[in-house]
Amino acid sequence: AQRVTQPEKLLSVFKGAPVELKCNYSYSGSPELFWYVQYSRQRLQLLLRHISRESIKGFTADLNKGETSFHLKKPFAQEEDSAMYYCALSGFANYGGSQGNLIFGKGTKLSVKP
Amino acid sequence: GAVVSQHPSWVICKSGTSVKIECRSLDFQATTMFWYRQFPKQSLMLMATSNEGSKATYEQGVEKDKFLINHASLTLSTLTVTSAHPEDSSFYICSARDSQGLVTYEQYFGPGTRLTVT
Repeated sequence: AQRVTQPEKLLSVFKGAPVELKCNYSYSGSPELFWYVQYSRQRLQLLLRHISRESIKGFTADLNKGETSFHLKKPFAQEEDSAMYYCALSGFANYGGSQGNLIFGKGTKLSVKP
Repeated sequence: GAVVSQHPSWVICKSGTSVKIECRSLDFQATTMFWYRQFPKQSLMLMATSNEGSKATYEQGVEKDKFLINHASLTLSTLTVTSAHPEDSSFYICSARDSQGLVTYEQYFGPGTRLTVT
């Protein structure tokens, strides 16, 4: 079954501390993984996706197929990083399921304290 | 970047009435749009996949007769909550995928519609 697990509902760190938001997935094929962020009172927006291997706002995420993980990391958290973070996966059509559907984890609320 | 709008942003209706929510892709074409429901402090739950020119695909447990979806054009999908009840009160979010984009399944999200049924 396709599933995304974010074990932490809330993660609280101090400004300048490293951050790691955990995400594990279950998918039989080759999924496409995403991190979405939702700032207070704003719409959900894409933070990064694994295929582009980019760093956005200092965040990076590496897909580890052996551990089926896609953890989001930032070496020095900022107060403006406080938001809800959702890990999501999408399967390719050839592997069955609805094409392009996003399966979301339950989200982790990141709180960065001054 | 790609922009998705929703209208209305919030609506209050009486129990038993129907409410229509619009989702538009403003600067791109979207053969596929998605409707989600989000309860307070919870994740997004996919309700249905809206396909332009064809019937929507509903997720298990979602009543298709209650949540009517119409995707009449490449830039517009509508969700109609029929005979609304207080338990239908929620935050409804749509997203759209760029039909002419690269082979990626990135979705662009609307700002959401807050529905309150009294």
